[in-house]
Amino acid sequence: EAGVAQSPRYKIIEKRQSVAFWCNPISGHATLYWYQQILGQGPKLLIQFQNNGVVDDSQLPKDRFSAERLKGVDSTLKIQPAKLEDSAVYLCASRGWVAYQETQYFGPGTRLLVL
Amino acid sequence: AQSVTQLGSHVSVSEGALVLLRCNYSSSVPPYLFWYVQYPNQGLQLLLKYTSAATLVKGINGFEAEFKKSETSFHLTKPSAHMSDAAEYFCAVSEWRNQGGKLIFGQGTELSVKP
Repeated sequence: EAGVAQSPRYKIIEKRQSVAFWCNPISGHATLYWYQQILGQGPKLLIQFQNNGVVDDSQLPKDRFSAERLKGVDSTLKIQPAKLEDSAVYLCASRGWVAYQETQYFGPGTRLLVL
Repeated sequence: AQSVTQLGSHVSVSEGALVLLRCNYSSSVPPYLFWYVQYPNQGLQLLLKYTSAATLVKGINGFEAEFKKSETSFHLTKPSAHMSDAAEYFCAVSEWRNQGGKLIFGQGTELSVKP
């Protein structure tokens, strides 16, 4: 079974520029998450989708961050304009059933550096 | 609100020694608890999870954790450390009604293994 795919793996931009990240979840997984992991901290949920609807975006800085999952499969996360404090790893995860229990699977992440 | 505290941002052990990584949680409802491992430049991999069944949970790579409600703890142990265990470890909590849902992570513990 293929895992959660993310691209790009690394991105360097200057502040005030825009950037977009892409995520392809495991086939058949209806729930998709975006987490932000700042260096030295645990991941923090930014947004959760169920199919193409938003379940939780309470922690998403909506003045600069946006995310969509138009067809209930792939998702993109955008930052516009980026700030220095957005430097972090952005992790995508999807949720599915393993051995009769639901489990979250994480992608490798996109490492963003804002200069 | 749920929260997780990992005691010790860095733990160093000798190869073959006992590994003990501490995690305490706060939750107003019965929690589901997780341990994830993150190797450099990789995503998070599930080690084990507690979902209200047996309080002693065995995971992959020889790790296990014990849920102690009275102590609100879910410490991770491994009898004998290997060099390959060097990584970042994250404890996480989720509401039991939504076992695969939003994860609240601790700040992580970096495990170093000395030869």
